[in-house]
Amino acid sequence: EVQLVESGGGLVQPGGSLRLSCAASGFTFSGYSMNWVRQAPGKGLEWVSYISSGSSTIYYADSVRGRFTISRDNAKNSLYLQMNSLRAEDTAVYFCARDKGLRGPHDFWGQGTLVTVSS
Amino acid sequence: EIVLTQSPGTLSLSPGERATLSCRASQSVSSSYLAWYQQKPGQAPRLLIYAASSRAPGIPDRFSGSGSGTDFTLTISRLEPEDFAVYYCQQYGSSPHSFGQGTKLEIK
Repeated sequence: EVQLVESGGGLVQPGGSLRLSCAASGFTFSGYSMNWVRQAPGKGLEWVSYISSGSSTIYYADSVRGRFTISRDNAKNSLYLQMNSLRAEDTAVYFCARDKGLRGPHDFWGQGTLVTVSS
Repeated sequence: EIVLTQSPGTLSLSPGERATLSCRASQSVSSSYLAWYQQKPGQAPRLLIYAASSRAPGIPDRFSGSGSGTDFTLTISRLEPEDFAVYYCQQYGSSPHSFGQGTKLEIK
C-alpha cells in the first residue's frame, strides 16, 4: 500500500525556518517524481515545488522561489522541503504528492502537515 | 504561467442529477496534461481524472472528463451523496503546475 507521511510542521515566527519531511513507503520511491502542494486555511490548492526521481530537475512556484528548497534522499525514501524566510502567507497545510508519470498528475497524497507562521 | 479558471464557483444540485464543471486555461494545455481532483473537508485531494479524460484507478464511471486546448469539463452523470465536495482542475504540462480555484458542489 502506498503511504506518504508528512512531518515537521508547527508554529514558527515570521522570518524563521522549518524543514518538512515526507516518508514514503509501499512503492519504489526512487522511480517517481514528487511534489509539495499547500493549502492555506479555507483556501484552494497551490502547487509549491517539484523534484524529478533523480533530483536532476527541480521547479518552484514564484511565491517560494529563493526561499524554499526541495530535496530528496532515495536511500531513505524521503522527500524534504527546507523553508526559510517564512512569511504569514506561507501558513498552510503542506502535502507531499507522488507523480503518476514523468511530470504528473499527483496520484497519491499524504495527509498533510500544518505550518503556522505567526508571532 | 497558465492560469486556470473554474466555473461555477458553487454548484447546488440534488442527488441523482447531472453535474457539469468547467475549467478554462489562459493558454493551451500541452498534450492535454489536465487533471481533476476531489477534496472533502479535512482530507487530502484524490485524483479522479488525468490526461483530460482518463479515469484514475478505482474511480466510478459516473465521473468523466473531456476537452482539449483551453477548455475542459468534468461531468458527474448521476450524483451520489458522497460526490458533494470541492473539485479542482490542475495543468501539469508546464511549470508552475497550476490549480484552478475550485468548484464547490453542494447539496441543494
